[in-house]
Amino acid sequence: DGGITQSPKYLFRKEGQNVTLSCEQNLNHDAMYWYRQDPGQGLRLIYYSQIVNDFQKGDIAEGYSVSREKKESFPLTVTSAQKNPTAFYLCASSIYPGNNFAYGYTFGSGTRLTVV
Amino acid sequence: GQQVMQIPQYQHVQEGEDFTTYCNSSTTLSNIQWYKQRPGGHPVFLIQLVKSGEVKKQKRLTFQFGEAKKNSSLHITATQTTDVGTYFCAGYYTGNQFYFGTGTSLTVIP
Repeated sequence: DGGITQSPKYLFRKEGQNVTLSCEQNLNHDAMYWYRQDPGQGLRLIYYSQIVNDFQKGDIAEGYSVSREKKESFPLTVTSAQKNPTAFYLCASSIYPGNNFAYGYTFGSGTRLTVV
Repeated sequence: GQQVMQIPQYQHVQEGEDFTTYCNSSTTLSNIQWYKQRPGGHPVFLIQLVKSGEVKKQKRLTFQFGEAKKNSSLHITATQTTDVGTYFCAGYYTGNQFYFGTGTSLTVIP
């Protein structure tokens, strides 16, 4: 079955450490996205990528980094510079180009990151 | 950045009652999508609206896009316990990203 796999489901990090969240899709989607979800704040875009080897900052990119070396993979690194990293992180993908998003975004099951 | 306002934040209804959530934008949207997130789960795409005044139905769910393409609503008729979750709208302006509303959390009391 096609879909998006995020791992791990739960992640604990010590303050000052970098951590990388995995996101893999086998939907052959061009575009991939990382969102952060906090209670009462909806989903906020961290980074997105429309094609391999290219990515753009979203509204809350500070303290995060990404790479897109393969179409299927879009890992997110939460660096020690992120002041409040405890959150639920969602990876998504969609068909591209343009804004013909008739099929919407497909989301992974998420990674819950806790800083201890 | 752009903002899509969504109200109410929470809604508790008795099973069988109707439910409506509203999204509003200060500027014209290109299109709008709706998602449902079950407790502990991830958002799942429900529908996209593109045309001014568009109305779409999915069984007990009715989605509307305003004439000015600045607002949208999701109405559920005769709620069931399976409707529990958070409903998000996501508005698309010219550009490369959707802007998600803050969501409406629906609780259905049996």
